[in-house]
Amino acid sequence: AQKVTQAQTEISVVEKEDVTLDCVYETRDTTYYLFWYKQPPSGELVFLIRRNSFDEQNEISGRYSWNFQKSTSSFNFTITASQVVDSAVYFCALRNTGRRALTFGSGTRLQVQP
Amino acid sequence: DTGVSQNPRHKITKRGQNVTFRCDPISEHNRLYWYRQTLGQGPEFLTYFQNEAQLEKSRLLSDRFSAERPKGSFSTLEIQRTEQGDSAMYLCASSFFGRGDSNQPQHFGDGTRLSIL
Repeated sequence: AQKVTQAQTEISVVEKEDVTLDCVYETRDTTYYLFWYKQPPSGELVFLIRRNSFDEQNEISGRYSWNFQKSTSSFNFTITASQVVDSAVYFCALRNTGRRALTFGSGTRLQVQP
Repeated sequence: DTGVSQNPRHKITKRGQNVTFRCDPISEHNRLYWYRQTLGQGPEFLTYFQNEAQLEKSRLLSDRFSAERPKGSFSTLEIQRTEQGDSAMYLCASSFFGRGDSNQPQHFGDGTRLSIL
């Protein structure tokens, strides 16, 4: 069985603050894939990043960075210098090898105030 | 390159009626997925197709639900005898699978919001 936990239901920050969204996962598989998606108010889920379980290198893309730690089963997402356009619900998801289904967490709603 | 398209965007119907949703995937994508999302929750997997073959179904997909992808292009999801608990956003996603490349991300549409009166 697999499970994704996003303990932060809602976070509110002021523009230009840094913010980290937490994601903890559970799986019995040794190989798996982790994802982050953004869901703005319009509703469409936007793919942000994919990480393989055998690749623990952290990744930075502009203001976004991801910290994958297998030892703690965490895949956290940091937005640096947040902007109002970052306001959305962010979902962490897990896919086990051999399955196509994504298992999503319950999401973290981020509100960035001007 | 257009994204995943879903129709209708909203559907309001009375309990007991049948409803059908349509999903048009990204044109070169051969995998298609259906998810359901209720308020305040993440999407939950329902089923997926590779080309026209339905290869996996969640236990959430009761016998009132049926999905088809007859020609391996667009897909339909039908719910028969709708119940209050079917009210949700129904999301479609697609991805490309090719030899040696099994991990393409799923790209989602805007969803169809179903409201049961």
